[in-house]
Amino acid sequence: KAGVTQTPRYLIKTRGQQVTLSCSPISGHRSVSWYQQTPGQGLQFLFEYFSETQRNKGNFPGRFSGRQFSNSRSEMNVSTLELGDSALYLCASSLLVAAPEETQYFGPGTRLLVL
Amino acid sequence: DAKTTQPNSMESNEEEPVHLPCNHSTISGTDYIHWYRQLPSQGPEYVIHGLTSNVNNRMASLAIAEDRKSSTLILHRATLRDAAVYYCILRESYGAQKLVFGQGTRLTINP
Repeated sequence: KAGVTQTPRYLIKTRGQQVTLSCSPISGHRSVSWYQQTPGQGLQFLFEYFSETQRNKGNFPGRFSGRQFSNSRSEMNVSTLELGDSALYLCASSLLVAAPEETQYFGPGTRLLVL
Repeated sequence: DAKTTQPNSMESNEEEPVHLPCNHSTISGTDYIHWYRQLPSQGPEYVIHGLTSNVNNRMASLAIAEDRKSSTLILHRATLRDAAVYYCILRESYGAQKLVFGQGTRLTINP
């Protein structure tokens, strides 16, 4: 079974631009979560989607948004990029939502550099 | 969000056991204890989880204190491939799938 895939793997943008990152979960998984990883803040939760609905959102500004499609694939968008948005963006999928024993499977991440 | 405390770094030798501690004194009765690790240049990967009893799988063992205020991840024979940042995370019994990561323990394995 293929793992979580994320595209693109690397991206360079300039301040003020917007970016869209894509995540394809493991086949059969319906929950997709997004995380941001930076050297200063570590791994932080962005949001989670299940059945095309956002179920939970982290403490990030409205410039960060996401969506999930009927095939469970998900995209996240960052508008008006700032230098501080440079980070590794990780996507994780799981079979179900809101089950505390549920395991999350992470993709390799998209490394975004904002110049 | 429930919090965990881990040492910033640990070092061990190849083929020796490694015990990674985690304190979670504010754990509630229904919180699950999860461990993930992140190898260099990769996304985190699941290691093991438990609720009350000790757990074993092909990767590691999880020893949970009787009062559940601490736990220990045990790698029985460390290899160079086990060098990673290990995260101890509490998953609430209610709520969504989000994982709240702390700073983790950076494990170095000496050949």
